[in-house]
Amino acid sequence: SQKIEQNSEALNIQEGKTATLTCNYTNYSPAYLQWYRQDPGRGPVFLLLIRENEKEKRKERLKVTFDTTLKQSLFHITASQPADSATYLCALDAGGFKTIFGAGTRLFVKA
Amino acid sequence: DGGITQSPKYLFRKEGQNVTLSCEQNLNHDAMYWYRQDPGQGLRLIYYSQIVNDFQKGDIAEGYSVSREKKESFPLTVTSAQKNPTAFYLCASSIDRSGNTIYFGEGSWLTVV
Repeated sequence: SQKIEQNSEALNIQEGKTATLTCNYTNYSPAYLQWYRQDPGRGPVFLLLIRENEKEKRKERLKVTFDTTLKQSLFHITASQPADSATYLCALDAGGFKTIFGAGTRLFVKA
Repeated sequence: DGGITQSPKYLFRKEGQNVTLSCEQNLNHDAMYWYRQDPGQGLRLIYYSQIVNDFQKGDIAEGYSVSREKKESFPLTVTSAQKNPTAFYLCASSIDRSGNTIYFGEGSWLTVV
């Protein structure tokens, strides 16, 4: 069956460290993958999109990698800050005009 | 400012009642979507629309209905046939169907009382 999985356990890190979140998928061949941030009770906000022919993408303190062989994307936040605390959602192109979202990983950054 | 406006933010429904969630966008986007979010689960697609007067069922369309009479508006009706409607509902839009960035509204909480 088709699945998109993110670590359901919350990630707790110290301010200034790098946070790394994982997104794994099976039985998809996405043309692109996206990462969103969601704060409690709010709608998700787009962060980054990476295409299948791109290995890595950066935006300020954010970095995303996309390994189509491993069927995995890693999302990194460097020099993390308490304001980065949120849930981060992975989303991929499932074909036929559909975007499939993972359940998200909750990140807590302690001051 | 451009964006997506959902209303109401909080809504209570009695058993057997239909309720309608409003969604308006001023981004001039062709595509619009409704997602449902339950705790610990990913967003699940209810309905989507690529153009005016056209819409398609998503993965969990049963018990829901939509209309797309205007480009800017995509209301969702939660009918009495939806047996477990308590959830967080998110309306979204994108420029077109090519998988561009999806922009979300602030969501609506629906609770059955």
